[in-house]
Amino acid sequence: KNQVEQSPQSLIILEGKNCTLQCNYTVSPFSNLRWYKQDTGRGPVSLTIMTFSENTKSNGRYTATLDADTKQSSLHITASQLSDSASYICVVSAGVRSSARQLTFGSGTQLTVLP
Amino acid sequence: DGGITQSPKYLFRKEGQNVTLSCEQNLNHDAMYWYRQDPGQGLRLIYYSQIVNDFQKGDIAEGYSVSREKKESFPLTVTSAQKNPTAFYLCASSIDPKTVNYGYTFGSGTRLTVV
Repeated sequence: KNQVEQSPQSLIILEGKNCTLQCNYTVSPFSNLRWYKQDTGRGPVSLTIMTFSENTKSNGRYTATLDADTKQSSLHITASQLSDSASYICVVSAGVRSSARQLTFGSGTQLTVLP
Repeated sequence: DGGITQSPKYLFRKEGQNVTLSCEQNLNHDAMYWYRQDPGQGLRLIYYSQIVNDFQKGDIAEGYSVSREKKESFPLTVTSAQKNPTAFYLCASSIDPKTVNYGYTFGSGTRLTVV
């Protein structure tokens, strides 16, 4: 069974600090991995998408890494801001030409940034 | 602006009542999806549609029904057969039903509560 595990479940940091969120997956065959940001009461918004051949991808202060050998990904947030407070969801897609049934969602990491 | 509009934002259902959640998109996307989000869990697929007048069950379709009469619209009905409907419902769309790797856009969600 395909699974995506995220850690920690929740994280509290002070504004301006950096943090790293983790995503471990057991999805086969791997197609791509995405990180989404979901504000409370809103829909998820895509941050990054990485395929098998990509090790790192940045989107502003967000940097995602992927180690396809160990099946791990991380999302690093630099110089956190209050607006970074949200749930961060890792999604892994299986198959060469994926369908919706081949997406596996993690349960998310709830990040709180305090002033 | 192009996007996905879900309505209403909040919905209350009485026991034994059917309710319909609206999802409209003006992105000209072929595929549309319905997900359910519960606290501490990853998103779970309810139904999806790759073309007009066609849809498939997802992982948790029991107690739900959909229709796809227009490309822009994919309403979800929560029937009285759904015994635990209280959840956050998310609609999404993608440009290529066979390649959901990219262009996967979410609506802002509907929070359904049983009263």
